[in-house]
Amino acid sequence: NAGVMQNPRHLVRRRGQEARLRCSPMKGHSHVYWYRQLPEEGLKFMVYLQKENIIDESGMPKERFSAEFPKEGPSILRIQQVVRGDSAAYFCASSVGVNQPQHFGDGTRLSIL
Amino acid sequence: AQSVAQPEDQVNVAEGNPLTVKCTYSVSGNPYLFWYVQYPNRGLQFLLKYITGDNLVKGSYGFEAEFNKSQTSFHLKKPSALVSDSALYFCAVRWSSGNTGKLIFGQGTTLQVKP
Repeated sequence: NAGVMQNPRHLVRRRGQEARLRCSPMKGHSHVYWYRQLPEEGLKFMVYLQKENIIDESGMPKERFSAEFPKEGPSILRIQQVVRGDSAAYFCASSVGVNQPQHFGDGTRLSIL
Repeated sequence: AQSVAQPEDQVNVAEGNPLTVKCTYSVSGNPYLFWYVQYPNRGLQFLLKYITGDNLVKGSYGFEAEFNKSQTSFHLKKPSALVSDSALYFCAVRWSSGNTGKLIFGQGTTLQVKP
């Protein structure tokens, strides 16, 4: 049973470009979560989605960031007009239910030039 | 405010000795508590959870944790450390009320096990 798959593993963008991060949850998991890990810091919650619905986006910056989890296909975290401060590791997790353990992918490391 | 604290940035133990990684939380209501481990350039791996029931929880790779409600703590323990246990450990909490799956993480504790 494949784990949570994130791609790309590494992404380099120049300031002002768009970054798209993809996450395929574990089979049978309909709950997806995105977290951001800045250097030397713990993970910070960004958004929680359940198939086609955003349940909690309290950790998402109000501008430039958006997330979706369509009926078909992976969840996408989209960052428009990237800035240097967006450089971080972005982790996706999935779970079979909201009270069940979240299983994490290996992350996408975003670098902004 | 809801928060999780891991008071030690690093814990050093000798192989074969018992280890403890500390975690405390502040909460209003009942918490769900988790421990995860992270190896370099990898995602977090789930170790164990406390939802309800026995205060002593057993998890993967010989780890266990004890929930102490009066001290609001959930320390991670292992009776005999291995060099391969060296990694970054995160405590996390979410609250049982509400519909959010949001996990709040501590800052992490680096465990170094020396041969």
